Amino acid sequence: DVKVTQSSRYLVKRTGEKVFLECVQDMDHENMFWYRQDPGLGLRLIYFSYDVKMKEKGDIPEGYSVSREKKERFSLILESASTNQTSMYLCATSGLALTDTQYFGPGTRLTVL
Amino acid sequence: GQQVMQIPQYQHVQEGEDFTTYCNSSTTLSNIQWYKQRPGGHPVFLIQLVKSGEVKKQKRLTFQFGEAKKNSSLHITATQTTDVGTYFCAGPSGTYKYIFGTGTRLKVLA
Repeated sequence: DVKVTQSSRYLVKRTGEKVFLECVQDMDHENMFWYRQDPGLGLRLIYFSYDVKMKEKGDIPEGYSVSREKKERFSLILESASTNQTSMYLCATSGLALTDTQYFGPGTRLTVL
Repeated sequence: GQQVMQIPQYQHVQEGEDFTTYCNSSTTLSNIQWYKQRPGGHPVFLIQLVKSGEVKKQKRLTFQFGEAKKNSSLHITATQTTDVGTYFCAGPSGTYKYIFGTGTRLKVLA
């Protein structure tokens, strides 16, 4: 079974803080993704990576950056957290083929005060 | 840009009633995937459709891919309380990524 873990289930930060969300997978998948989920808006892609040190912007990259130094680890960074970044953040992984299934982590509910 | 919309956004049904959610893409899709997210959980893959007009069944769930490959539907027959959750469709966008629909949140009243 694919296992995708995220560093925290719940996180509370203050405006202006730097926030790190980490995702680790154990299935040797090439692709990794960061989404945010908000009511009525579905899952929106922030960034994705198809290889180590490679990253591509998704649909809503503003205010975020990512890092992938190792194949199994994909980090999402909020350089200066703002209240409009309060959301559920989901990490996912998949194989390289476009028809491969995406496997999601449990999610991190981030609240920025 | 490419958009994937789902309707309805919410649906409340009595247990035993049928339920359908519809997924519409602004562009033709090479395939479509469906995911289910239980309350408090994360999305879990249900099925993938690839061929035009394809129909697949999983017990009480029936998935359909439109002839033009721009729409899809998920129909649940005789809903049960275990069907509660949010159902998402997702279509490929570019080489590596998918666009997810807005989701349909299903509530089943016992």
